[in-house]
Amino acid sequence: AQSVTQPDIHITVSEGASLELRCNYSYGATPYLFWYVQSPGQGLQLLLKYFSGDTLVQGIKGFEAEFKRSQSSFNLRKPSVHWSDAAEYFCASPGGSSNTGKLIFGQGTTLQVKP
Amino acid sequence: DTEVTQTPKHLVMGMTNKKSLKCEQHMGHRAMYWYKQKAKKPPELMFVYSYEKLSINESVPSRFSPECPNSSLLNLHLHALQPEDSALYLCASSQGPSLHSGYNEQFFGPGTRLTVL
Repeated sequence: AQSVTQPDIHITVSEGASLELRCNYSYGATPYLFWYVQSPGQGLQLLLKYFSGDTLVQGIKGFEAEFKRSQSSFNLRKPSVHWSDAAEYFCASPGGSSNTGKLIFGQGTTLQVKP
Repeated sequence: DTEVTQTPKHLVMGMTNKKSLKCEQHMGHRAMYWYKQKAKKPPELMFVYSYEKLSINESVPSRFSPECPNSSLLNLHLHALQPEDSALYLCASSQGPSLHSGYNEQFFGPGTRLTVL
C-alpha cells in the first residue's frame, strides 16, 4: 500500500540552529508531495509542494525541501530555526490517487525549539 | 479571498444534542473535505464532496451527516455523538479532484474544537 513515513516523532533544536525533518514515500511513479505545518489548535498551513521539475523547492517562512527519487525522500529544511517554528509538521501525498481527493499523511513530527 | 472559514471555533455538546459545523470557501474550489483530527495525530479523512456530490465516505458512522448546499458551503450535522468523537474537525477545499487537475493542493480551515460530554 502507498504510504508516507515520517521517522521522527519528536525533534528538539535550539533557536538559530538548522533543521531537517525527514519524509519518505512509497510510490513507484513521481508523486506529488506536500509539507504542512500546524500550530497548536490551528488548521494546517501549506509550507511547500513538489509536483515535478526542479527537485529543490522553496516554500514560505524560509523553508525548503529536496525531492530525492533515489532515496524516496522529501526532507524539509530550514537553515536557522525561530522559536515561532515550534509546531507539528506533516508530510503528505495523494500517492497514485491524485484524482480522488485523498491525501496520505505521515504521522507527523513535533518540533520543539529551545531558547 | 484565499481562506477557508469554519464556525464555530469551539463546540461543547451532550450526547443527545444535535448540532452542525459549518465551512465556507470563496476560492471557486469544487472539492471540499471533512477531516477528524485527534491530538498529536494526522488528520483522518471523513468525507469528500466533488462538484457538490458526495464522492468519498470513509465508513463514517451515521451520527455524522455531511451536506453540501452549494459549491461554497459544507456542513457537518452531528447527532447522538459519543465522547470519543471529541476532536478537532477540519474542513479543506481544493480545485480538484478531477481527472484533469492531477494534484490535490488542499487549503485547510482553522478547525472546530468539538467536545462531547
